[in-house]
Amino acid sequence: QLQLQESGPGLLKPSETLSLTCTVSGGSISSRSYYWGCIRQPPGEGLEWIGTLYYSGNAYINPSLNSRVTISGDTSRNQFSLKLSSVTVADTAVYYCARAIVRSSGWYHFDYWGQGTLVTVSS
Amino acid sequence: QSALTQPPSASGSPGQSVTISCTGTSSDVGGYNYVSWYQQHPGKAPKVMIYEVRKRPSGVPDRFSGSKSGNTASLTVSGLQAEDEADYYCSSYAGNNNLLFGGGTKLTVL
Repeated sequence: QLQLQESGPGLLKPSETLSLTCTVSGGSISSRSYYWGCIRQPPGEGLEWIGTLYYSGNAYINPSLNSRVTISGDTSRNQFSLKLSSVTVADTAVYYCARAIVRSSGWYHFDYWGQGTLVTVSS
Repeated sequence: QSALTQPPSASGSPGQSVTISCTGTSSDVGGYNYVSWYQQHPGKAPKVMIYEVRKRPSGVPDRFSGSKSGNTASLTVSGLQAEDEADYYCSSYAGNNNLLFGGGTKLTVL
């Protein structure tokens, strides 16, 4: 059974860089059959797609966050990571890791999600 | 790119049917058959209920169905049950490897 586990800083100060690691078990991030994504949800608000990574290293980022986001993979540890720079209070959210199946050579929905981790930005 | 538009709330009595809409544009919902619907219970991660407009993953009851007309997609829940009370989010592929989510709809079972 596939499992995704997020690990994050919990609390950050404004202007710092958020580093989130997603550890995958029961599946491989090197598989050509899947993409790996990050999604966030501010408290009491809706979902926002952040970005998606393919085994090749290609990463696709939400244009509204593009200048601040990096997503990369570590196949030796079967992990992928999100870095979000220059955080503000508006970046406070539950951050989720998720898997998307390759469909028609692309990715269009997430079928497995981690439990999420709350990251709070506060001075 | 703006979020897809969903009504903030919907409700129905047990056994009834309820439909939740998701409105986008010709660049997202109307342009691709890649609309998905997610169910989220409080404090839990989202769960995909419908993908590619009308396909149901294994294990999702057939009470859940999806459709699309033009720039608007819909999720219908038939035979409402208490456990269907949750937040529902639509998402759509928006081209150029972009994904949009809707603002979410809180479904209440009366």
